[in-house]
Amino acid sequence: DVKVTQSSRYLVKRTGEKVFLECVQDMDHENMFWYRQDPGLGLRLIYFSYDVKMKEKGDIPEGYSVSREKKERFSLILESASTNQTSMYLCASSSIRTRNQPQHFGDGTRLSIL
Amino acid sequence: GQQLNQSPQSMFIQEGEDVSMNCTSSSIFNTWLWYKQDPGEGPVLLIALYKAGELTSNGRLTAQFGITRKDSFLNISASIPSDVGIYFCAGSTSGTYKYIFGTGTRLKVLA
Repeated sequence: DVKVTQSSRYLVKRTGEKVFLECVQDMDHENMFWYRQDPGLGLRLIYFSYDVKMKEKGDIPEGYSVSREKKERFSLILESASTNQTSMYLCASSSIRTRNQPQHFGDGTRLSIL
Repeated sequence: GQQLNQSPQSMFIQEGEDVSMNCTSSSIFNTWLWYKQDPGEGPVLLIALYKAGELTSNGRLTAQFGITRKDSFLNISASIPSDVGIYFCAGSTSGTYKYIFGTGTRLKVLA
């Protein structure tokens, strides 16, 4: 089974802090994703990476950056956290070797910015 | 970004009843996925559909890829309390990495 692990289930930070969310997958997947999930808005793609050191902006990249130094790890960075970034953050991965590349998700990090 | 229209938004049903939900899009998709998300957890992939008209089952769950390629349906037979959660559809137009997600159907089962 695919295992996507997010480092924290719950996180509380203060406005202006630099926040790191970490995600690791153990299936040698090429693609990794960061989404945020808000009530009524569904899942919105923040950033996507298709290879080490490669990244593409998703639908809502403002206020975020990402890092992919190793294939198995994809980090989401909030450069200067703001209260409107309070949300559930979901990491996902997929393989180009699997038909139509279905995505597999971690358990999420519920981030609160005070 | 584009979102899928998922219906109903929420539903209460009695244990033992069958459940139906659907997802519609203005775009033609070549892949439909269905996920379930338990409270406080991440979405778990239930069923993947790859061609129009396809009908695929996973236990008591059955999903169909609509013939128009703009919709998909999920049915749960003989619901049980652990079916509680949010069910998401996701569609891809290109069969590559990018999926568009529905806003979810929240299911509550009354024992």
